Amino acid sequence: DIQMTQSPSTLSASVGDRVTITCRASQSASTWVAWYQQKPGKAPKLLVYKASTLESGVPSRFSGSGSGTEFTLTISSLQPDDFATYYCQQYNSYWTFGQGTKVE
Amino acid sequence: EVQLVESGGGLVQPGGSLRLSCSASGFTFSSYAMHWVRQAPGKGLEYVSAITSNGRSTYYTDSFKGRFTISRDNSRNTVSLQMSSLRSEDTAVYYCVKGTEFYSDSRPDYWGQGILVTVSS
Repeated sequence: DIQMTQSPSTLSASVGDRVTITCRASQSASTWVAWYQQKPGKAPKLLVYKASTLESGVPSRFSGSGSGTEFTLTISSLQPDDFATYYCQQYNSYWTFGQGTKVE
Repeated sequence: EVQLVESGGGLVQPGGSLRLSCSASGFTFSSYAMHWVRQAPGKGLEYVSAITSNGRSTYYTDSFKGRFTISRDNSRNTVSLQMSSLRSEDTAVYYCVKGTEFYSDSRPDYWGQGILVTVSS
């Protein structure tokens, strides 16, 4: 099974900051990686899939990059609505999720 | 509009069983793999199980093998998760999730609202 190690687990940031979250796969996930945003009591919301493809309707301040074993989600300028928990997911071999990053 | 509505959750005693169902609408159900993902209170997302579009192939994360069984009824647009030998650690919100292809390795695109399962005496 492919394990996804996400860092950091918590990130303190301010409105306007550039934020970067990283996921490392235990073996190659190719580009079959997605990123989600989750707020309390809600289902995860898809932000990025295939490592760098922005889901329709997602603001362009979100971007994803990477391939193989290293992946990154970047928020170019943090907005008040972006304070949430973010998860990476690989779907190259079934599914595995990262442990999550809380942006506070 | 794609809708996934979970049902069957609630309170169950340790060692007990529970069957979750997910009713799907707004897409051709028989064409897509379906999945279950869970989230314990205050914890991260955990992949539980998957079933291919025709129901012939299933997958379980190691933690659930032998205790959980996924199934689907394409005539009723329903996917189910039969859970047995439940323990307190199974307390979680369980999400029904649609895949984007007939096979299990495809990415998810729609999530249900989730249903709470509480295992407690």
